Amino acid sequence: NAGVTQTPKFRILKIGQSMTLQCTQDMNHNYMYWYRQDPGMGLKLIYYSVGAGITDKGEVPNGYNVSRSTTEDFPLRLELAAPSQTSVYFCASSRGTSGWGDTQYFGPGTRLTVL
Amino acid sequence: QQQVKQSPQSLIVQKGGISIINCAYENTAFDYFPWYQQFPGKGPALLIAIRPDVSEKKEGRFTISFNKSAKQFSLHIMDSQPGDSATYFCAASTWTSGTYKYIFGTGTRLKVLA
Repeated sequence: NAGVTQTPKFRILKIGQSMTLQCTQDMNHNYMYWYRQDPGMGLKLIYYSVGAGITDKGEVPNGYNVSRSTTEDFPLRLELAAPSQTSVYFCASSRGTSGWGDTQYFGPGTRLTVL
Repeated sequence: QQQVKQSPQSLIVQKGGISIINCAYENTAFDYFPWYQQFPGKGPALLIAIRPDVSEKKEGRFTISFNKSAKQFSLHIMDSQPGDSATYFCAASTWTSGTYKYIFGTGTRLKVLA
């Protein structure tokens, strides 16, 4: 049981380039999330999904797109990279139940630098 | 109203001492308050969580104290150890629109000196 896995671990992009951050979970969780973590800013929710085919915007969705074709995978797409997207990106998943807070399990993160 | 304010930003404690991290929230609809621990290069991991119907929850050396009237909660780490050196995030959430959306604090970097 690997939990939540993310690839790549590190990436440097040039302004205007595109890339996809991959996220896979093997816990059969219904819900999946993408966060970005900036120094001194905590974690901000970018997008989330409550099941295959269903996605919704979080707090900071501009410049990103997501899709959820399977329960396991939730890729995050950056279409035109900008320096403001330099950050550490975390994917998380949860069972999606209304009881006891629905614990979110995080992946190890992808450190992205846009130059 | 959606903010969670966390303090201090950083904390240095001697081995064996008590580490205390504080968080304050505004939205009275929040009903779940987890603390996450993050080691360098790793993702956050749930450490301990509390609901507002109890004033304290203890798991080993980690205790959450919750003050509903003041809208504040805190993490106490007793007998702090060098292995506790990490960044700690508080969060607050409630079930809305079919999901728990977490609002995270800005994090506290804890260093425990040997």
